[in-house]
Parts: sequence; C-alpha cells; structure tokens
Amino acid sequence: GAGVSQSPRYKVTKRGQDVTLRCDPISSHATLYWYQQALGQGPEFLTYFNYEAQPDKSGLPSDRFSAERPEGSISTLTIQRTEQRDSAMYRCASSAGLAGSDTQYFGPGTRLTVL
Amino acid sequence: AQSVTQPDIHITVSEGASLELRCNYSYGATPYLFWYVQSPGQGLQLLLKYFSGDTLVQGIKGFEAEFKRSQSSFNLRKPSVHWSDAAEYFCAVGAGTASKLTFGTGTRLQVTL
Repeated sequence: GAGVSQSPRYKVTKRGQDVTLRCDPISSHATLYWYQQALGQGPEFLTYFNYEAQPDKSGLPSDRFSAERPEGSISTLTIQRTEQRDSAMYRCASSAGLAGSDTQYFGPGTRLTVL
Repeated sequence: AQSVTQPDIHITVSEGASLELRCNYSYGATPYLFWYVQSPGQGLQLLLKYFSGDTLVQGIKGFEAEFKRSQSSFNLRKPSVHWSDAAEYFCAVGAGTASKLTFGTGTRLQVTL
C-alpha cells in the first residue's frame, strides 16, 4: 500500500479481555516494528520482524504480549488479559531493510483504552 | 544503551519567529539521529535524519538540524515558523543494524498568531 495502515484506530476493552491489533506495512518493506506510546511520552520499542522472523522481543513488557507476522507482510500484536496499564497508543512502523539509516515509516496508531 | 533528552516539554513561538528545539543524545558510537513530527490524529512523519557526512541536515517543511558530536546534540531549527507547524516533535536515536529507535519525550510546539 501507499503507507502503513493500522486497525482498529481506537479500541476500548474491559480489563481481562484479549485484544488484537493489526498492522499493514508498506508492501515492499521487509522490516516491521511495534512501539508503545504512553500519554505524554515518546514511543518505546516493543519488538520487530525481518520478514517473518522475530529476532528481538526485548521490549515486550510481559508474556501477555505477543506478535506475529506469519507471511512476512501483515502483523498482529495481541495482548492477553489486558490490564489498565496497557492503555496506550500502539504504533507500527515499517522500513525497507535493517540498516540503521533506513527510514521507519509510521502508521497512524491504535489507541487502546482498558477500562 | 542509548538515550535521548528533549529538555523542553512545551514551547510557544509567534508565527514568523525562528524556532530551535533541543535534543541531546547518549550513545557510544556515531548515532543515527532522526526528527519526527506528530500532528493530532496522524502518524509520526519523518522531518529529517542524520547518519553520516555533512553535519547540517536539511529536511522537509523548511526544517534543518545540526549534529554536534562535541555537545551530543542534534537541535532542530526553522527560520520562520508557520501556524501549521504546531505539533509535537520527537527526536530519536538509532544504532546499527535493525535499528530500534529510542525516542525522547517530545516537545509540544504552540504557534501564536
């Protein structure tokens, strides 16, 4: 696609429910990142994919968070048993490759609110 | 581990005035440095980036930034601010391959007419 898209744009859920967020990267991009942005903060790295491989999960806050990218394109981020502290903007970005100089293009984000 | 500090949480400038947003980073080697802008309801848009070469980098929308290794800084500047520049600005540092970005906490820019 022309840019990175994310769905849903807004998600309200109750504590204890599972949620799945979707990211559709720029079609030619090999690398996909997930970030979490709390209110008043900058985005914080969660995990990334190179095609379907997931070499780095170091930013995932707990084992309730998981991500996948089974065919090397669309990715999902799943949060199980959501807690109020999971409320945040979740941002996806994609880049052409792994080089540090490769620009990361961000989607509009999914605003998650856990009641 | 790398880190980024944006000392100014909120800045207000008059339209037509010059602008400088500060960014200091911590990283052991030559960093990759980025400035992103976030407008309400929009994703983060890249303004400019530095990874080598000329330390004065030109970006979109009339912005520029200067990498100063001795001061560990990468300040963003614009000679004349427009009302449409009101947004939140994030400085970020990346390092090496698979560069997960480390962002600062952002500076919110307000422009008065």
